[in-house]
Amino acid sequence: DIVLTQTPLSSPVTLGQPASISCTSSQSLVHSDGNTYLSWLHQRPGQPPRLLVYKVSTRFSGVPDRFSGSGAGTFFTLKISRVEIEDVGIYYCTQTTQFPVTFGQGTRLEIK
Amino acid sequence: DEQLVESGGGLVKPGGSVRLSCAGFGFTFSSYSMSWVRQAPGKGLEWVSSISSASRYVFYADSVKGRFTISRDNAKNSLYLQMHSLRPEDTAVYYCTSRIWGQGTMVTVSS
Repeated sequence: DIVLTQTPLSSPVTLGQPASISCTSSQSLVHSDGNTYLSWLHQRPGQPPRLLVYKVSTRFSGVPDRFSGSGAGTFFTLKISRVEIEDVGIYYCTQTTQFPVTFGQGTRLEIK
Repeated sequence: DEQLVESGGGLVKPGGSVRLSCAGFGFTFSSYSMSWVRQAPGKGLEWVSSISSASRYVFYADSVKGRFTISRDNAKNSLYLQMHSLRPEDTAVYYCTSRIWGQGTMVTVSS
């Protein structure tokens, strides 16, 4: 199974400042079709997760452009250019390149 | 608006069975593969099962293989998860997802 390791596990951030979360995969996430199926999810307290970014860097419908994804192969990053209060919660990376689908352990973003 | 609505959760005794349903609204349900993902209380996300758009391919996590069955009815825009031989460790919120996520339905396995 592909293991996804997120860093940091907790990230205290000042409002208006940038934040960055990394996700490292135990093996390449490049699919045989040439795509890389690495996504980022955000889960606010008491809410279901929601999709932010898919295929490494494509923002899902309605996601603000302060969120950006990057990376390739086994190393990926989610960046928030200026953190807003509604960005608190847990961020997960997930891969659907290979079954079983796997998730990172989650990164908790909190406001300082 | 695109929406997924789960139902069918509740309190079940160990060894019991339950069937979860998920209804899709506002998008072409039959075009998308669908998945069930669960989250135990206070824990992270765990993939359970996926099914391709026309039900040709199904996949299961090892932890549920042989006990859970995923299915769909595209004519009813619905996804299902039949769960048998339930264990306390199956206790979780079960989410239906493709790109969007439902609100989830809680399954508690306890005597």
